[in-house]
Formats: sequence, structure tokens, C-alpha cells
Amino acid sequence: QKEVEQNSGPLSVPEGAIASLNCTYSDRGSQSFFWYRQYSGKSPELIMSIYSNGDKEDGRFTAQLNKASQYVSLLIRDSQPSDSATYLCAVIFGAGSYQLTFGKGTKLSVIP
Amino acid sequence: GAGVSQTPSNKVTEKGKYVELRCDPISGHTALYWYRQSLGQGPEFLIYFQGTGAADDSGLPNDRFFAVRPEGSVSTLKIQRTERGDSAVYLCASSLGLGADTQYFGPGTRLTVL
Repeated sequence: QKEVEQNSGPLSVPEGAIASLNCTYSDRGSQSFFWYRQYSGKSPELIMSIYSNGDKEDGRFTAQLNKASQYVSLLIRDSQPSDSATYLCAVIFGAGSYQLTFGKGTKLSVIP
Repeated sequence: GAGVSQTPSNKVTEKGKYVELRCDPISGHTALYWYRQSLGQGPEFLIYFQGTGAADDSGLPNDRFFAVRPEGSVSTLKIQRTERGDSAVYLCASSLGLGADTQYFGPGTRLTVL
């Protein structure tokens, strides 16, 4: 069973703080990992993709991948109220597959 | 340029009826995906196309669901004999190709089966 697990939250952080979002996945052989942001009533929007162990930074966002622990995280620095949304972790399991398997998402609230 | 578009944005139907949901991908994108999202859940994969052919339909829940993409662009998701459990937001996404990094999602069609 291919699964992606996330804490559903809600996660509340004060404005300016670092928000840390976590995700675990079931298949050690997975190669492709994504973080999507979804505002209420809207469709998912890709924030970050990561394929190799370590950190990948893009502006205020940092994705971290640890394949040995089957763990991927997203850090949001200097959180803003506009970051308040549901963050979806998605994994492509296995070579030759292109379907995204999503977690249930973590709802983030950034408090002004 | 225009993003992925989906019509209708909302569809209300009665149990047992047939519905069609349309997706118009980003111009030039050869790969097209259908997902559905229930309240409080992440999107769930249904099917994806490379060109006109369904490359993977393993997510279709049963034979009441069918999707086509006859000319390699617009796709239609067809649901026969709708059930209340089919109520969800149906999301379409497209990408440059199957190996492309980013799947761009459309706004979705909210299907309500009464």
C-alpha cells in the first residue's frame, strides 16, 4: 500500500516565525517529492519539488528530504498571513509512474 | 497564457444520472491527469493520458467511470449511474510531458449528487 502521511493540523504559527510541515511516505524506492499549497476553495499550486537527499531552498521555502527515514519536510521562513493555506505533500512512487499520491494535507494558520 | 480550464465549475445531478466533465489543458501540454478530491482529503489519482491514449487508468474506482481524449487535447471524464459517493471536486492537471516536473491544476469541477 503506497501511503503519504501528514499531520492534519491545524498548525498555528505567529507572523514572522518558521513554520515546519512534515510528511512521511511508505515506499523507500520513491524518487520524486512535491509540496503543493491549496487555498480554501482553490486548486493545488506547486511550491517545491525535490528529488535528492538534503535541502532545496527557494525564497522563503526550504524542502528537506531524507530517503533513509522516508521523510520530507517543508520549512517556511518569515511566515506571512498570506501563507495560511493547506499544504499537501505528494509523492510519485516508483519509476515509470507519473501519478501523484497525496497526503491529506496540513492546514497552516499564520496569526498576525 | 491561459491555464488549465474546466467546465462546468459546478454540477448538481440526481443519483443515477450521467454526467460529463470537461478539461482543456494548457496549450502544448501532452500529458493530462484527472484527480478527485473529497472534503478534508488530498487529491486522489484517477487516470492520466499521454496524447490520446490512457497511459494509466488504475485509479478509476469502477466501470462507471470513463475518460477520453480523442484528439490529444481536451479530455472528458464521464460518470454513469452517479452515486452520492461520487460527490467531490474533480481536478484536471496537465504537464508538458509525462516526465515533466510540474503538474498544473485547473480550478476543478464540484460535483454534487443528490
